Amino acid sequence: EVQLVESGGGLVQPGGSLRLSCAASGFTFSNCGMSWVRQAPGKGLEWVSVIGGSGINTYYADSVKGRFTVSRDNSRNTLYLQMNSLRAEDAAVYYCASITCAYWGQGTLVTVSS
Amino acid sequence: QTVVTQEPSFSVSPGGTVTLTCGLSSGSVSPSYYPSWYRQTPGQAPRTLIYNTNTRSSGVPDRFSGSILGNKAALTITGAQADDESDYYCVLHMSSGIWVFGGGTKLTVL
Repeated sequence: EVQLVESGGGLVQPGGSLRLSCAASGFTFSNCGMSWVRQAPGKGLEWVSVIGGSGINTYYADSVKGRFTVSRDNSRNTLYLQMNSLRAEDAAVYYCASITCAYWGQGTLVTVSS
Repeated sequence: QTVVTQEPSFSVSPGGTVTLTCGLSSGSVSPSYYPSWYRQTPGQAPRTLIYNTNTRSSGVPDRFSGSILGNKAALTITGAQADDESDYYCVLHMSSGIWVFGGGTKLTVL
C-alpha cells in the first residue's frame, strides 16, 4: 500500500522557519518526482515545488522562490521542505504528492502567526 | 504568468454526463502538459482521478475519463452520482519545469 505521511507542521511566527518531512512507502520512491502542494483555508490548490527522482532538478513557484528549499533522501524514502522567512500568506495545509506517479499524502498544517 | 483556467462551477443531474475542462490563458493544452485531475471534498486530501492526460488512477471507476478536447484537457464523468459532488482540480506541467493548478470547479449534482 502506497503511503505518504507528512510531518513537521505547526505554529511559527512571521519570519520564522519550519522543516516539513514526508515519509514515503509502498512504491519505488526514487522513480517518482515529488512535489509539495499547499492549500490555504478556503482556497484552491497551489503547487509549491518539485524535485526530480534523482534529487538533482528542483523547481519552485515564484511565491516561494528564494525562501523555500526542497530536498530528498532516497536512502530514507523521505522528502523535505525547508521553509524560511515565513509569511502570513504561507499558512496552509501542505501536501506531499507525486503528480506523475499519482500519489498524495494527507497533509500537515502550517500556521504563521504572532 | 500562465494561468490555468477551469469553470468555477458546474451542475449535472444524477445519472447525467458532464465534461469539465482545463485550459490555458494563452495557447493550447496538449499531452505534453501531462494534465492530471483531482477530486477533493471538504476537509479531505485531494484524490487523483486521472494523470498523464487519460490514465485512471488505481481504484478510480471507468465512468471517469480524461482526454484532450479541442485546445483543452477534459475530464468527463458519466453516470453522475450524488457523491461526485466535489471540487475538481486540474494541473498542467509547464515547459519551464513548474506545475500550475487551475482554480478548481465546484460540481453540484442535482
